[in-house]
This record gives sequence, C-alpha cells and structure tokens, in this order.
Amino acid sequence: KNQVEQSPQSLIILEGKNCTLQCNYTVSPFSNLRWYKQDTGRGPVSLTIMTFSENTKSNGRYTATLDADTKQSSLHITASQLSDSASYICVVSQYGYALNFGKGTSLLVTP
Amino acid sequence: GAGVSQTPSNKVTEKGKYVELRCDPISGHTALYWYRQSLGQGPEFLIYFQGTGAADDSGLPNDRFFAVRPEGSVSTLKIQRTERGDSAVYLCASSRGLVTDTQYFGPGTRLTVL
Repeated sequence: KNQVEQSPQSLIILEGKNCTLQCNYTVSPFSNLRWYKQDTGRGPVSLTIMTFSENTKSNGRYTATLDADTKQSSLHITASQLSDSASYICVVSQYGYALNFGKGTSLLVTP
Repeated sequence: GAGVSQTPSNKVTEKGKYVELRCDPISGHTALYWYRQSLGQGPEFLIYFQGTGAADDSGLPNDRFFAVRPEGSVSTLKIQRTERGDSAVYLCASSRGLVTDTQYFGPGTRLTVL
C-alpha cells in the first residue's frame, strides 16, 4: 500500500530557532517528492520538488533532502519566523502528478 | 488575478442535493487537478485532467462524483445525491502540464452537507 508518513504530527518552536520535519514513504514507483506549505484556510503552496536523482533542494530558508534508497525526506527550516506557522505537507508522486499526500506536520512558531 | 480561483468559497447544502464546484485555472495551464481535504488530513487526489480529457479519475470515490473540463480551461466538479461524508474542502490545482511542474492551488471550496 502506498503511504506517506510524516513526523512529528505537530511542533512548537521559538522564533529564530531551526527545525526539521520528517517524511517516510512507501510509494512505488517513485517519480518525485514535493513539500508544500499550507496556511490555515488556504490552498497548499509549493516549496520544493525533487526527483530521484536529486538529494537536496533549497528555497530560501527551506532546505529539503531526499534519500531515495531509504525512502526518507526531511524539510529543514532555518531561523524560523512567525509566518512559518503552518502545516507542512509531504507529497510523493508515482506518475509525475501528486497522488500521495501525508497528513502534514503542524508547525507553530512562537515569539 | 493570475492565480487559480474557485467558486463558491463556501457551499452549504442538504443531504441528497446536487452541487457543482467551479475551478478557473491559471491561463495556459494544461493540467488541472481536483483534491478533497477533510479536517486534519492532507489532500486526497480525486481526478487529473490533461487538456479536456480526464487522464486519471481513479481518486473519485464513487459514481456520485463527476468532473468535466469541456474546453480545456474551466473545470466543474459535480456531486450528486450529496451525503454528510462529502463535507470537506475541495481544492483545485493547475500546472503547465509537465509531470514535474509546480502545481498551483486555489483557495478551495468548503462544502458542508447538512
């Protein structure tokens, strides 16, 4: 069964601190892995997309890593800001377009 | 605006009624996707259009759900005989069409079935 598991389910950090979110998947065949940020009441916004041959991708303070052998990915957020408070969703595609979504990690950045 | 738009933003209906949800993709985007997001869950894939045709409708939960994209632009998701379990946020996304292209999401339509 194709699954995308994210951890932790929720996380609270102080403004300015770093954090790392995890994603494990069992999706096969693998096409690409995406991280999305979703603010409450809004649609998801793409942060990064990585194919099989890529093991790291950065977008500003967001850095995603991918280990296709162990089927693990992480999203590292550097110097967190209050505006980083959101749900972060890991999505693994089988045929290019997004099919398998994780439940997300809810991040709260506090002053 | 240049983003994906969805109407209505909120829809409240009674069990058994028929509803239509509309999605206006970004101009020029050939790929269009519908997802359903229940409270506290990640989005769940419903259907993917490439142009006017449904390239993959394997995510539609049953035959009460149907989607069209007659001119390869605007899409309508149609739900017949709505049930309380259909209550969710229905998200639409579009992309330029390549498999690795970024998908741009609309704000969603919150459907509540009473």
